[in-house]
Amino acid sequence: AQSVSQHNHHVILSEAASLELGCNYSYGGTVNLFWYVQYPGQHLQLLLKYFSGDPLVKGIKGFEAEFIKSKFSFNLRKPSVQWSDTAEYFCAVEDQAGTALIFGKGTTLSVSS
Amino acid sequence: DSGVTQTPKHLITATGQRVTLRCSPRSGDLSVYWYQQSLDQGLQFLIQYYNGEERAKGNILERFSAQQFPDLHSELNLSSLELGDSALYFCASSALGGTTNTGELFFGEGSRLTVL
Repeated sequence: AQSVSQHNHHVILSEAASLELGCNYSYGGTVNLFWYVQYPGQHLQLLLKYFSGDPLVKGIKGFEAEFIKSKFSFNLRKPSVQWSDTAEYFCAVEDQAGTALIFGKGTTLSVSS
Repeated sequence: DSGVTQTPKHLITATGQRVTLRCSPRSGDLSVYWYQQSLDQGLQFLIQYYNGEERAKGNILERFSAQQFPDLHSELNLSSLELGDSALYFCASSALGGTTNTGELFFGEGSRLTVL
């Protein structure tokens, strides 16, 4: 079965620091990849997605992610975080049947001002 | 607001009991997905319905069942509850049967179940 690993459980940064959250997936074939974010008290929402094409994907709020097929990775980055980026971040891969998303366990990001 | 509505927001019950969680998808969305979020397991896919029919099953226990009604709302039934069933249960919807076309699931705010 496909799986997603997020290496960092909790990341603490100061404002303006750079962010990189790791994500690795298990399936070696064609994959569709996603990052979702859950701000405190809110529902999960899509940050960005990768289906094909340019492996560097840009999302909302200045986030980007790079798909590296050889490393089975889809790391999320942001050059300069803000206090409002405090949230839980989930990496996900679409299952092989294209019927559901398989999520990682999430990374909690805390940004201090 | 994602447009997906879940009720109740919070539910406290005892072991052995049965509860029903309800989800109304975004207007026009045909697919409903149920996920369970717990501290140790993260977000686990339970089951998907598309236009009233079960489409995909994930890690759903036999004590749990779901259905999608003609008006497209869905219910997740949890029975013979155990302490370990305490979790946040999310519903999500999408326009089509899979996630391929848009890649976007729209999530509700979840129903927090506490089993005592």
